[in-house]
Amino acid sequence: DTGVSQDPRHKITKRGQNVTFRCDPISEHNRLYWYRQTLGQGPEFLTYFQNEAQLEKSRLLSDRFSAERPKGSFSTLEIQRTEQGDSAMYLCASSQGGAIGRKLFFGSGTQLSVL
Amino acid sequence: DQQVKQNSPSLSVQEGRISILNCDYTNSMFDYFLWYKKYPAEGPTFLISISSIKDKNEDGRFTVFLNKSAKHLSLHIVPSQPGDSAVYFCAGESRGGADGLTFGKGTHLIIQP
Repeated sequence: DTGVSQDPRHKITKRGQNVTFRCDPISEHNRLYWYRQTLGQGPEFLTYFQNEAQLEKSRLLSDRFSAERPKGSFSTLEIQRTEQGDSAMYLCASSQGGAIGRKLFFGSGTQLSVL
Repeated sequence: DQQVKQNSPSLSVQEGRISILNCDYTNSMFDYFLWYKKYPAEGPTFLISISSIKDKNEDGRFTVFLNKSAKHLSLHIVPSQPGDSAVYFCAGESRGGADGLTFGKGTHLIIQP
């Protein structure tokens, strides 16, 4: 169990630029989640994949955000035309799903700062 | 609309004593609850969970209690240790779990020597 891996750990960008984050889930997990956390708040759900299918998207996920999970393995989260309000910790999590796999395993996150 | 509420932003407890962290929820569709622990610059780490069909779950020093009628759960840590100092998040999940977990804002637990 190598855990959930996220890259990069930190990203500083200028307003209006595009950024992309990568997440590698635990290999046997078929569910993958993206969350966002801002200071003083708990993680907020953004989107969820079961294998390669994106099954749920939060209202928080504006049109500037897009997530993919090709071949049901790693996932990418892209933010286009970044805004200062996008500054947050972006967390990826994975789980086995089903009755026995309801707990999520989180990566260390990508801290995004938009200047 | 905050579906999971942790009303104490911080809690200070002396080492060796019991720490009690509280959580209230409003969503009746939640049927599974989890507690996560988070250190700075790290992702949340799973601590303990409880199904809505139970009222107590214990794992070593950690016990979670669920009162469904009051829509309240609590996490007890006994005895508290310095390494327990962290932010603790309560989370609920609906049947089917399609929306993932809904988290509270967290309680910062500080264990004093």
